[in-house]
Amino acid sequence: DAMVIQNPRYQVTQFGKPVTLSCSQTLNHNVMYWYQQKSSQAPKLLFHYYDKDFNNEADTPDNFQSRRPNTSFCFLDIRSPGLGDAAMYLCATSRGGQGRGDQPQHFGDGTRLSIL
Amino acid sequence: KQEVTQIPAALSVPEGENLVLNCSFTDSAIYNLQWFRQDPGKGLTSLLLIQSSQREQTSGRLNASLDKSSGRSTLYIAASQPGDSATYLCAVATINDYKLSFGAGTTVTVRA
Repeated sequence: DAMVIQNPRYQVTQFGKPVTLSCSQTLNHNVMYWYQQKSSQAPKLLFHYYDKDFNNEADTPDNFQSRRPNTSFCFLDIRSPGLGDAAMYLCATSRGGQGRGDQPQHFGDGTRLSIL
Repeated sequence: KQEVTQIPAALSVPEGENLVLNCSFTDSAIYNLQWFRQDPGKGLTSLLLIQSSQREQTSGRLNASLDKSSGRSTLYIAASQPGDSATYLCAVATINDYKLSFGAGTTVTVRA
């Protein structure tokens, strides 16, 4: 009964070759987040969608993009992956409350991305 | 800007000992604080969530306390087991901010 599902669990790509990671949810939450987590570091927010409203963090690299075609799905596209983009990518969802941050986030199992 | 610190960064204890993990944060205007567990190479599993109006939450052998005014939370794990070995992260939801602020985690090893 997984509620936030990330595919694939492990992804290997070549330096500079575009890659897409996917996230789906069965919670019907209107907010979806993408985090990047490097080894022994805290997760770092890349961007989030509040409904269809896309919000990019100021320090998110330009080669990271995202798509949300509907409520259930969200994709992370890395146009030209570099060696420094090797990391765990975590998707999370939440209900958008009045406080826009007051609802708990539910995380998927993550996708571990390796760059050759 | 909310800053979250977890001390110690790593902890090794013999089986059966109680674990005490600390989390501190700089801005006390929070909605809630959440403790997560992360196994190597895996995603985040939510353990406990404490709303800002609460002082503690309990689940089985886990107990988390929150002192909002001093910017501190403590996660207690009673009678530790080797299966408790993992990294534990705390995350704070700050009022008027949409993102969680995470600590870097405490990596726990429970020796059999």
